[in-house]
Amino acid sequence: GAVVSQHPSWVICKSGTSVKIECRSLDFQATTMFWYRQFPKQSLMLMATSNEGSKATYEQGVEKDKFLINHASLTLSTLTVTSAHPEDSSFYICSAASYRGFSYEQYFGPGTRLTVT
Amino acid sequence: GENVEQHPSTLSVQEGDSAVIKCTYSDSASNYFPWYKQELGKRPQLIIDIRSNVGEKKDQRIAVTLNKTAKHFSLHITETQPEDSAVYFCAASLRGADGLTFGKGTHLIIQP
Repeated sequence: GAVVSQHPSWVICKSGTSVKIECRSLDFQATTMFWYRQFPKQSLMLMATSNEGSKATYEQGVEKDKFLINHASLTLSTLTVTSAHPEDSSFYICSAASYRGFSYEQYFGPGTRLTVT
Repeated sequence: GENVEQHPSTLSVQEGDSAVIKCTYSDSASNYFPWYKQELGKRPQLIIDIRSNVGEKKDQRIAVTLNKTAKHFSLHITETQPEDSAVYFCAASLRGADGLTFGKGTHLIIQP
């Protein structure tokens, strides 16, 4: 149980274009999902919290107009990188909290590697 | 906001020996402390977690200890095996349902 998927697993796009990444919880409903970014050989940085049916909450320093988040259903959140530039090239990972036993645990998707040329 | 410090950045141990990774956090309101193992190019995998109402938790060769007063928690791996080689991240959050603040990671190398 507690499986999170992401699509696509990797994408190459040209500078100035937009890219959409999907995050799905496959066997549970997630009212809240999270988007992280991980640069090579670095840690994961929380970008935003995606809330089903309401606006996302962005971490300080993350441009909300550049990283558009939509949480349309209890199993799907999307991240759109708009007007992508080479510095946006990174590993984008989503997670969702699943209630296990007596409390929540977070499970991560497999990640999407974005390369902007 | 929360700040999580993790040490060491690289740890090399002989197969069969124990490995200890330490983390400190800054926000006394944090109550959830998971540890993740990440292999190159893969997703982080939850290996163990602890909540603030518990001081120690063990799962086979892996254990985590938490000292809320000192705001630090540690991962202990005993009888290390080659497949334990990976990058390990500690993290902290208010609750398990909240976004996580990660440490910078520890590259664990198990020498045969």
